[in-house]
Amino acid sequence: EPEVTQTPSHQVTQMGQEVILRCVPISNHLYFYWYRQILGQKVEFLVSFYNNEISEKSEIFDDQFSVERPDGSNFTLKIRSTKLEDSAMYFCASRPGLGTDTQYFGPGTRLTVL
Amino acid sequence: SQQGEEDPQALSIQEGENATMNCSYKTSINNLQWYRQNSGRGLVHLILIRSNEREKHSGRLRVTLDTSKKSSSLLITASRAADTASYFCATDVFYGGSQGNLIFGKGTKLSVKP
Repeated sequence: EPEVTQTPSHQVTQMGQEVILRCVPISNHLYFYWYRQILGQKVEFLVSFYNNEISEKSEIFDDQFSVERPDGSNFTLKIRSTKLEDSAMYFCASRPGLGTDTQYFGPGTRLTVL
Repeated sequence: SQQGEEDPQALSIQEGENATMNCSYKTSINNLQWYRQNSGRGLVHLILIRSNEREKHSGRLRVTLDTSKKSSSLLITASRAADTASYFCATDVFYGGSQGNLIFGKGTKLSVKP
């Protein structure tokens, strides 16, 4: 069964460094999402992406964040200058399209900012 | 209460017993989804119920939705030790232009003892 994949599974970085989290959504899916989960807290929506552009973003998704779909398969989340509070599990999700609301999540990337 | 808030926060039962988790939300929704998360792992989609549905079954899972009370319940029958996980409800909030962004609750931590 197709699944969303994410790399790396764990990323450790120094405060102020840039990180890029990578996701390969399920082939033929049209909607893509990033969520994050700070340890012990709820999963929070960051951004949705459709038709090669951001369709919605939350307050968390400030100028330090950006997303890109550089080719037909990858979907990336970049954090320009990481802060300690960016430490969290980041989940990518994809959805087939209109009429199918189920979102399929990847296994997540655990980001640790030191 | 916050959108998509589950109760109880933690539930401990014996194998073979049924587990019931509840979710309440505040705004109108398109659908409500339940996810499972094993400790530190990704989110696994369990079941989706649309706003015009009242009950749905999938294997040992039964989900109900009461839009008048803005609440949902997830019942796991004949629980197994492998059902031990955190369970989250997520709502797809209804508004024009929504791209299906999910709002998650804090989750119920289920422990099934052998």
